Amino acid sequence: EAQVTQNPRYLITVTGKKLTVTCSQNMNHEYMSWYRQDPGLGLRQIYYSMNVEVTDKGDVPEGYKVSRKEKRNFPLILESPSPNQTSLYFCASSDRQGNTEAFFGQGTRLTVV
Amino acid sequence: AQTVTQSQPEMSVQEAETVTLSCTYDTSESDYYLFWYKQPPSRQMILVIRQEAYKQQNATENRFSVNFQKAAKSFSLKISDSQLGDAAMYFCATFGSSNTGKLIFGQGTTLQVKP
Repeated sequence: EAQVTQNPRYLITVTGKKLTVTCSQNMNHEYMSWYRQDPGLGLRQIYYSMNVEVTDKGDVPEGYKVSRKEKRNFPLILESPSPNQTSLYFCASSDRQGNTEAFFGQGTRLTVV
Repeated sequence: AQTVTQSQPEMSVQEAETVTLSCTYDTSESDYYLFWYKQPPSRQMILVIRQEAYKQQNATENRFSVNFQKAAKSFSLKISDSQLGDAAMYFCATFGSSNTGKLIFGQGTTLQVKP
């Protein structure tokens, strides 16, 4: 079954404690992105990757890191989480821009206290 | 910069009735795609319908159809014969830059379906 798998689905952490949210896709997609969803703002892109070892900033990259060492995996790293990073996070993948749908993970609800 | 605007934070509809969700967008892309995503309480993002901008014919998927007005940059979603399972948040989105696979989302519209 084609899918994007995110883990964990829920996470509560304390300010400053490094964390990683994993994302894996089994569709051999080139494009992968991370988004955060906040009330009244929709989803905003944090980082994206167009292929292995190719990553770049989206609209709200501050406080986040990513890596793309393998095509299927695209982890999101918060080196020193802060309360303003409390949000709902989505990983998404697609094979080419535009002419196909993006597949989304199940979402990760992150709370930083 | 590409933008997507949903001006209706909340909508409600009676079961079996029809409802239309509004979306306007702005893009400098000559070729682009427009989407409606549904997000039920499970938080899963589900593609409802897709429109290719170069196609004049409005997309339809069963009870879901769009009214795509390219000149007006409008892309509304019509849900016919509304069902309780249609209750969700709906996001309008477009692919922005041609090189990043980036989706630009609207703010979302929460749809309530009344029995």
